[in-house]
Amino acid sequence: RKEVEQDPGPFNVPEGATVAFNCTYSNSASQSFFWYRQDCRKEPKLLMSVYSSGNEDGRFTAQLNRASQYISLLIRDSKLSDSATYLCVVNRQVNDYKLSFGAGTTVTVRA
Amino acid sequence: ETGVTQTPRHLVMGMTNKKSLKCEQHLGHNAMYWYKQSAKKPLELMFVYSLEERVENNSVPSRFSPECPNSSHLFLHLHTLQPEDSALYLCASSQVLTSGKYNEQFFGPGTRLTVL
Repeated sequence: RKEVEQDPGPFNVPEGATVAFNCTYSNSASQSFFWYRQDCRKEPKLLMSVYSSGNEDGRFTAQLNRASQYISLLIRDSKLSDSATYLCVVNRQVNDYKLSFGAGTTVTVRA
Repeated sequence: ETGVTQTPRHLVMGMTNKKSLKCEQHLGHNAMYWYKQSAKKPLELMFVYSLEERVENNSVPSRFSPECPNSSHLFLHLHTLQPEDSALYLCASSQVLTSGKYNEQFFGPGTRLTVL
């Protein structure tokens, strides 16, 4: 089983729509969770950390479900500039600073 | 310069060549990483240096050789590569805290490597 699994998509949505997708992780000892964004032929950049209680940053909402071992990302009021690949990132175990990356979920927002 | 920089940005080399990738971080971090990203695949961690000590090799072929002369600089020396080594090579840095916790990793723009 892969350490981090994501639906590759693509999710094609119109501007203004809401899009949401999940990521599952295999190691129940994982403690830190992140969503990174990667634009075509660019480096990954941190979008947001994911906290146990869930957190929101503008139009982006991240949730963590430890019981089912998944995290989610929801994007409201999609903009054209949200088109990117979203990488789910999990640390491998407690106090381990080495991260496991998912292959990414591609989102395309159309006008 | 700010953040994490990498040179060269693009590299084409033959299988008999020797080349080196360079990474420099200007963030004051104490850990640096090399990743390989192939098309449609997750990032693969190749090497980690924390406090200038290599802590993981991750079964990378010996034709890849890392070097970390100090906490700000990281090199990846390449020799006798194979066509399947063509990929985007990303450098990252982070701050590992004494508590064992760490902050997020910041990535450089990557070197797009093509092996002929």
